[in-house]
Amino acid sequence: DAGITQSPRYKITETGRQVTLMCHQTWSHSYMFWYRQDLGHGLRLIYYSAAADITDKGEVPDGYVVSRSKTENFPLTLESATRSQTSVYFCASGGGTGAPNTEAFFGQGTRLTVV
Amino acid sequence: AQRVTQPEKLLSVFKGAPVELKCNYSYSGSPELFWYVQYSRQRLQLLLRHISRESIKGFTADLNKGETSFHLKKPFAQEEDSAMYYCAAWAYSTLTFGKGTMLLVSP
Repeated sequence: DAGITQSPRYKITETGRQVTLMCHQTWSHSYMFWYRQDLGHGLRLIYYSAAADITDKGEVPDGYVVSRSKTENFPLTLESATRSQTSVYFCASGGGTGAPNTEAFFGQGTRLTVV
Repeated sequence: AQRVTQPEKLLSVFKGAPVELKCNYSYSGSPELFWYVQYSRQRLQLLLRHISRESIKGFTADLNKGETSFHLKKPFAQEEDSAMYYCAAWAYSTLTFGKGTMLLVSP
């Protein structure tokens, strides 16, 4: 099915463990983004990617790692999870060659709890 | 610094009342501006973008470059408009969001 999907939808992990959140889009959008959504902070950008093999830090990158070896995938890894990383994570994609400014489509979110 | 500001965390109105959700931006260039909406337990979805000048679900938003604002308006609020609204700006390869305004429409 066309769209953008995140997995898992829910995850509980322990402090110190490595966790990877997956994001997959089928539109071949150039841009992909990872945000975290927290009460009182809205959506904060963690990392973004303008194309395969091109990634850059957003507002709150510490403790996170991303990669983009293929256009359609943009996994987010928490190297050593902390309780402050308990949040809802949203992946988004949008834009294309020659049309960088356009609608961004969001995944359904991953609710991560670090205990 | 590039910034999108939504000064109101919560806006509560009665059904049929006018609504205005405020958004101000601070960018050195000319960003593309959007309003996104998130209904309860759903993913964010695009409501409006400034370049299309359209009205969606009765909402409109006018870009005021002099005041660097992109306020969202609706003349008569409906209960189904209750949601979280985010103003966003796309510039320099990133999409930056404000903190959001929760709109509650009471019967």
